[in-house]
Amino acid sequence: GAGVSQSPSNKVTEKGKDVELRCDPISGHTALYWYRQSLGQGLEFLIYFQGNSAPDKSGLPSDRFSAERTGGSVSTLTIQRTQQEDSAVYLCASSLAEDYGYTFGSGTRLTVV
Amino acid sequence: SQQGEEDPQALSIQEGENATMNCSYKTSINNLQWYRQNSGRGLVHLILIRSNEREKHSGRLRVTLDTSKKSSSLLITASRAADTASYFCATIESGGSNYKLTFGKGTLLTVNP
Repeated sequence: GAGVSQSPSNKVTEKGKDVELRCDPISGHTALYWYRQSLGQGLEFLIYFQGNSAPDKSGLPSDRFSAERTGGSVSTLTIQRTQQEDSAVYLCASSLAEDYGYTFGSGTRLTVV
Repeated sequence: SQQGEEDPQALSIQEGENATMNCSYKTSINNLQWYRQNSGRGLVHLILIRSNEREKHSGRLRVTLDTSKKSSSLLITASRAADTASYFCATIESGGSNYKLTFGKGTLLTVNP
């Protein structure tokens, strides 16, 4: 596609529910990244994919967070048993290769009530 | 953890003036990148400068890099109201994970018409 697409744009969920966030990267971009941004803060790295494998999951905050990528393309970030502190904007980015500039999606704003 | 620290945290100028934002970082880097974010959503890649480069230009943007001082600056000349946004520097460290961008907390630039 022309850009990185994320869905949904906004998600309001009740505490304790599971949510799935989707990222569709630019076609041909092998590297895919998930970041989280809390209000007024910088970006917090969550996970990196190269193809379908995730060499670095070090940023996932807890075992409630998981992510997968299939076909070297679409990625899904899943948060189980959501908590209020999970409320943030979740940003996905892709790049042509390592050490290149990232192209970001518009993000998913998650609100846990 | 935050690698880059932007300075100032907020900057307000009049249209037509130049805006200068600074970034300091802590470790050796492969490259340093600047991004713009409007309205707390997706980030837009502005410019990438590699560790062996000292200055780079793109339109009204000028970026400098001083690896001895571990610092960078972003200059926006002849600013416009549309330049109002948050600006982030981000680095890719050398000698380690050469794919992960680490972001600072950003500078909020307001350009008054």
